[in-house]
Amino acid sequence: DAKTTQPTSMDCAEGRAANLPCNHSTISGNEYVYWYRQIHSQGPQYIIHGLKNNETNEMASLIITEDRKSSTLILPHATLRDTAVYYCIVILNSNSGYALNFGKGTSLLVTP
Amino acid sequence: DAGVIQSPRHEVTEMGQEVTLRCKPISGHNSLFWYRQTMMRGLELLIYFNNNVPIDDSGMPEDRFSAKMPNASFSTLKIQPSEPRDSAVYFCASSGGRGGRWETQYFGPGTRLLVL
Repeated sequence: DAKTTQPTSMDCAEGRAANLPCNHSTISGNEYVYWYRQIHSQGPQYIIHGLKNNETNEMASLIITEDRKSSTLILPHATLRDTAVYYCIVILNSNSGYALNFGKGTSLLVTP
Repeated sequence: DAGVIQSPRHEVTEMGQEVTLRCKPISGHNSLFWYRQTMMRGLELLIYFNNNVPIDDSGMPEDRFSAKMPNASFSTLKIQPSEPRDSAVYFCASSGGRGGRWETQYFGPGTRLLVL
């Protein structure tokens, strides 16, 4: 699985967009980019994933560069409840299931 | 659906005692994962099952740890004997099956284990 690099921490003002970058320069053509987050004292929560195209759901948007070497998770209007550790994970899907390799993640602090 | 259920939520035990953690995955899911989280090492995969069969147990720390999945609705993670360095939060997650995107893992609330 490709390795990912994320900033250790970021701040964002409430109501503003939070843009969390992730570098995955060794990603291969059939590996997906997944984002999970972990709010303090809770289990990790799935946010979004993508392969090549940009993706959007009710929680966030995922922008993947054309060369797929990096991506950005966008929380369009951050709230205090979005304060969490955000993990960018690159994984190869298979019919036998897959395992998530969590790194250090980015600790996002949303401030009033 | 109730989500992934883990029990107990908190466990305090003494070194040398046997500890059994339990997990009930989401009904219909066919993959189950056990993770451990500590401040030093972050979130680590211990073992995962697909259709009740262990697929990868390379993350299991040592022989003191064992995991079983006797049926599709139940799994256990056992530590015998327990040691203080086993203190951590243990998460169970499941994925796959009807009604959900199979690639999404749903995590339980975790079991907070403290070994004295």
